[in-house]
Amino acid sequence: QQPVQSPQAVILREGEDAVINCSSSKALYSVHWYRQKHGEAPVFLMILLKGGEQKGHDKISASFNEKKQQSSLYLTASQLSYSGTYFCGTEIPETSGSRLTFGEGTQLTVNP
Amino acid sequence: DGGITQSPKYLFRKEGQNVTLSCEQNLNHDAMYWYRQDPGQGLRLIYYSQIVNDFQKGDIAEGYSVSREKKESFPLTVTSAQKNPTAFYLCASSMGAEQYFGPGTRLTVT
Repeated sequence: QQPVQSPQAVILREGEDAVINCSSSKALYSVHWYRQKHGEAPVFLMILLKGGEQKGHDKISASFNEKKQQSSLYLTASQLSYSGTYFCGTEIPETSGSRLTFGEGTQLTVNP
Repeated sequence: DGGITQSPKYLFRKEGQNVTLSCEQNLNHDAMYWYRQDPGQGLRLIYYSQIVNDFQKGDIAEGYSVSREKKESFPLTVTSAQKNPTAFYLCASSMGAEQYFGPGTRLTVT
């Protein structure tokens, strides 16, 4: 079952903050976050494991609420380079270590 | 430099023809994946392989076929049975959690 991402799109001014959510109807083993710039390959940002702690990557961090089967990606003090489409990929226990199911993505635009 | 290569970057075919997309990796990764991406949509899994000579169907395998005869290679054939083959195709590999993606092949079928 494909995870649901929200919002579908967000426009920011440089320096503003944003939150992107990823929800699943299934119990999750892990959540992976990727960023894809237009016409390029997706690039791995971070992974959150069940029972793990909140992760951080420069000014981008994420959390994983196991009870709600939801992950949130936090972008603080956004930079122009943050523009792109953000995807969450979810892993369920039954197929952990083998495959991800990706959401439809959230398009983030950071303007000067 | 280690990485994943996909060729060609752009591919044009006539309807009714089979076409094979290449994916090669020199990262020594065991697992390899094929995804399809349509405009404004996420990544949908076509096939994946966790070990040589073994592969599993993903969510949209109909009309596609793969082989995994070598660890470093995972070619994808788009057959004439695929009703809407025009899309951006991404190959990825992994050794553990993180997936590394190739640059993609944009296939146009007319």
